[in-house]
Formats: sequence, structure tokens, C-alpha cells
Amino acid sequence: TQLLEQSPQFLSIQEGENLTVYCNSSSVFSSLQWYRQEPGEGPVLLVTVVTGGEVKKLKRLTFQFGDARKDSSLHITAAQPGDTGLYLCAGETSYDKVIFGPGTSLSVIP
Amino acid sequence: DAGVIQSPRHEVTEMGQEVTLRCKPISGHNSLFWYRQTMMRGLELLIYFNNNVPIDDSGMPEDRFSAKMPNASFSTLKIQPSEPRDSAVYFCASRAGQGALGANVLTFGAGSRLTVL
Repeated sequence: TQLLEQSPQFLSIQEGENLTVYCNSSSVFSSLQWYRQEPGEGPVLLVTVVTGGEVKKLKRLTFQFGDARKDSSLHITAAQPGDTGLYLCAGETSYDKVIFGPGTSLSVIP
Repeated sequence: DAGVIQSPRHEVTEMGQEVTLRCKPISGHNSLFWYRQTMMRGLELLIYFNNNVPIDDSGMPEDRFSAKMPNASFSTLKIQPSEPRDSAVYFCASRAGQGALGANVLTFGAGSRLTVL
């Protein structure tokens, strides 16, 4: 069974601070995606990483895929209250199946 | 583009009743996924379809759950009989393509919140 773990589970920080959340697995994925979910809504895709070692930037967010394609990190610079939400990583298996990690709940305090 | 449409948004029912959740994927998308989200278990994949054919239903909890996709624009998830432990938010998501590079974006509906008393 392929599983994804995320850490930390909860994170509460002050506006302007930096943070990193991690997504780990013992399995290899063909791609890894990060989503953000707000209360009462479905997850919304932030980024997809495909190549081992790949780094993608989306404004203040930096995403990295591990060299072995088993893990990923999301770094947010100068967090803002609008970044508050549940961050989910998702791995796509060789059978096109997409499984999700348990999520990191981020709260940015003004 | 109206996105993925799910109904009902909220359903409250009593234990033993049949529940049917509905999903209309984005036109042209050929993969459809059903997920269940709870605080305890997170977002669990229940079943997914490619070109209306169920590919993997290993996440379906038990025989009380069934899913169909009679055509490319409609899918249902049925629970019969429902139990209190089925209370959760059920999400439908659709995707264009099958794992092709850049074509693996899931677009989610707003979810159906089910409460079984």
C-alpha cells in the first residue's frame, strides 16, 4: 500500500515568518502535486512536480521534488493571512491513481 | 466552464436510509475520482474511473458502497444502508488525460457533506 505522510500536522505562525512543510513516502511516484483547501471547498491545485530534484516557484511558494521522487517540500516565504488553509500533497502512481497525504493545517496570524 | 458539479451539497439522513450522491465532471475530462474526507482519516480515495470504466475500487469501504458512471457526464455514489460512521464530506474530482505529463490535474467539486444520524 502506498502512503504519504505530511509534517507538521498543524502549524500556527505570525505574519511575515517563513515555513516549510514536508511530504514523505517510501514509494516512488510518477508525479507529486500540492493542493490547498479552504473550509467548505474542494482542494485546488497549486503545482505539479514530475522530475526528481525539480524546483518550482509560485510567487512566495517554493516546491521541491526529492531526487528519488519519494518526497517533496513546500516552503512559504513571508507568510500572509491569506495563506491560511489546509495544504495537501498528492502522489500519482504508475496506475494513474492519485492518493493524498493527511494534510498540514496552516494558520497565519496577522 | 462550470467546473465539477456535485449534489446535494448537504444531506442529513437517518441510519439505514439509502443515500445517493451525484457528480457531473468537467466536459471532456475522461477520468473521475470519488474521495471521502474526515478529520480522522483525511482524504481517502474510494474509486476512480477512466473513460467511464471503474479502474480501482479497492478504497470502497464495504459492500454498502457502490459507484456507477453510466456516461461521460454523470456519476453516482450510493450508500445503502447508511450508517453514522459514513458521515463525511464526499468529493468528486475529474481529470483530463491519463497520467500524461501536465495532464494530471484534478479539479474538485465543492463536496457533499453527509450526516447520518
